[in-house]
Amino acid sequence: ETGVTQTPRHLVMGMTNKKSLKCEQHLGHNAMYWYKQSAKKPLELMFVYSLEERVENNSVPSRFSPECPNSSHLFLHLHTLQPEDSALYLCASSQTLETGQTNTGELFFGEGSRLTVL
Amino acid sequence: GQSLEQPSEVTAVEGAIVQINCTYQTSGFYGLSWYQQHDGGAPTFLSYNALDGLEETGRFSSFLSRSDSYGYLLLQELQMKDSASYFCAVRWGGGFKTIFGAGTRLFVKA
Repeated sequence: ETGVTQTPRHLVMGMTNKKSLKCEQHLGHNAMYWYKQSAKKPLELMFVYSLEERVENNSVPSRFSPECPNSSHLFLHLHTLQPEDSALYLCASSQTLETGQTNTGELFFGEGSRLTVL
Repeated sequence: GQSLEQPSEVTAVEGAIVQINCTYQTSGFYGLSWYQQHDGGAPTFLSYNALDGLEETGRFSSFLSRSDSYGYLLLQELQMKDSASYFCAVRWGGGFKTIFGAGTRLFVKA
């Protein structure tokens, strides 16, 4: 148990469907992330939220839409996806510090949502 | 662009020592981390190096040379449960961004 919970664990959707992935962290962290993990490829950083404000959007297609309603919850809304979007989507959280402070930046990951697009 | 290179696979025997290397190319470097991921599980944090040198945590050690943009993870007294994927990761971009290598699959044989 990492303190980061993702639902659903598995999702199969057609290209015309709309679905959402949910992430909840119970660690009191102030930053949350979405990563995409495909076989034999690096984890791809998709979105970063710090203090509920999006601070990074790595040129992700608009068919992926993130939402961070509060510091404990993060969503990834999916619509009109393509088969190449099939992957493991990982949520993570961390504690960012004030300027001048340092920490390891350790990311706490959920177990991921396995998405298959037909 | 930002990139990390690490071997795709390493095989070692139980009780041995194995070193997994990582070279990186990034701007605004904050530190190098290592994560372990078992099949079907979440990546979990192993170590972090912000400064040059060796950090030791039990059977695992991690090394960083900032001038060479190079680091490694050293696993000693290998156990079967160490069979997993190991990712090096660089923290940059104001500390908000962590990018990962493609991972090294470690197979530990009896």
